[in-house]
Amino acid sequence: QVQLVESGGGLVKPGRSLRLSCAASGFTFSDYYMNWIRQAPGKGLEWVSYMSPTGSTKDYADSVKGRFTISRDNTKNSVYLQMNNLRAEDTAVYYCARQQSRFGELPPGFDPWGQGTLVTVSS
Amino acid sequence: EIVLTQSPGTLSLSPGERATLSCRASQSISSNYLAWYQQKPGQAPRLLIYGASSRAAGIPDRFSGSGSGTDFTLSISRLEPEDFAVYYCQQYGSSPPITFGPGTKVDIK
Repeated sequence: QVQLVESGGGLVKPGRSLRLSCAASGFTFSDYYMNWIRQAPGKGLEWVSYMSPTGSTKDYADSVKGRFTISRDNTKNSVYLQMNNLRAEDTAVYYCARQQSRFGELPPGFDPWGQGTLVTVSS
Repeated sequence: EIVLTQSPGTLSLSPGERATLSCRASQSISSNYLAWYQQKPGQAPRLLIYGASSRAAGIPDRFSGSGSGTDFTLSISRLEPEDFAVYYCQQYGSSPPITFGPGTKVDIK
């Protein structure tokens, strides 16, 4: 079945770095846009970044631009989020999510989502 | 930047009642680019509606979406116990390309 599993979260001090991974299975990973979304404790959803199937196109929320970098390895069916210069306000559960269809097949929507990985930035 | 506003913030209803949730955009968006998600405590969100009115795979037909331009609605015809959750709308635009609304919590009256 289609599945996304995030890993790499944890407790990190402000200013340090962390790399999140999202392992995909059950579908042709190289055909799909992939996204990272985060949710601060008790708050709503915030889109963080996306990357196109080949990696040629990507974008970021203004809140993370210049600090976070998305990448993917289609040979390993994985997408990554390198997070540098972390701040307290980056504390959140980080989800990866796939676009529900190949580009242009259906209107966009995130499906499925992983279970999330918690990142806590604190001294 | 397109800002999404959801109302009400909390909706208190009883099982069997109809729920109507609103999502308003700060500027007109294509209906193709409006989606709705459900999130239960401790779980990842789940796609309910895409393209403003199309149900995602496996979503019961008591969920329906409508609207265009700047005003969109998610309706739940008869609330089941498992429908009490937080609902988010989402739009695809430009700079930033993707934003979510703040959410509407549907809780048991």
